[in-house]
Amino acid sequence: DIVMTQSQKFMSTSVGDRVSITCKASQNVRTAVAWYQQKPGQSPKALIYLASNRHTGVPDRFTGSGSGTDFTLTINNVQSEDLADYFCLQHWNYPLTFGGGTKLEIK
Amino acid sequence: EVQLQQSGAELVRSGASVKLSCTASGFNIKDYYMHWVKQRPEQGLEWIGWIDPENGDTEYDPKFQGKATMTADTSSNTAYLQLSSLTSEDTAVYYCKDGNYDYWGQGTTLTVSS
Repeated sequence: DIVMTQSQKFMSTSVGDRVSITCKASQNVRTAVAWYQQKPGQSPKALIYLASNRHTGVPDRFTGSGSGTDFTLTINNVQSEDLADYFCLQHWNYPLTFGGGTKLEIK
Repeated sequence: EVQLQQSGAELVRSGASVKLSCTASGFNIKDYYMHWVKQRPEQGLEWIGWIDPENGDTEYDPKFQGKATMTADTSSNTAYLQLSSLTSEDTAVYYCKDGNYDYWGQGTTLTVSS
């Protein structure tokens, strides 16, 4: 199975800052990566598909980048409503696998 | 508007089976794969598999083979996940999601009691 590693379990940032959340694949997954946001008590919401494409309605302060094994979700001008867990998912190989998640805390 | 409405919370005895449902609105499930995902607090998100509702084809994570069975009823636009021989390890929130819009249902909380 492909292991998706989000090494930062917790990140703390302030409103207005820029934060980068990383995800590393154990093997080349090309650009077959999605990013999700899960706010407390809610189901996950898709933010990014194919590594760098924003889903409809996702604010443009969310940007995805990367290919191969290294991927980044960048949030510019962080807002208080961005408090959430963020997960990456690879869909290059079966079984699909998620990263362990990064909890974003707003100072 | 695309929505996935999942069935309510379940409290089930160990050893029993349970069937969870996921009813779509705003799109026809036979047009896209439907996925199921398991979430436990300390284990994160786990992909269970997908079903093609048009023909019943399925793909499972091997670790869920024998545990999970995915089916679909296109006449009611509903996907189902059956879990058998339940143990405490199956206590989790189960989500359905579609394979196109990537919308997720609200989740069904399954609690397995001994």
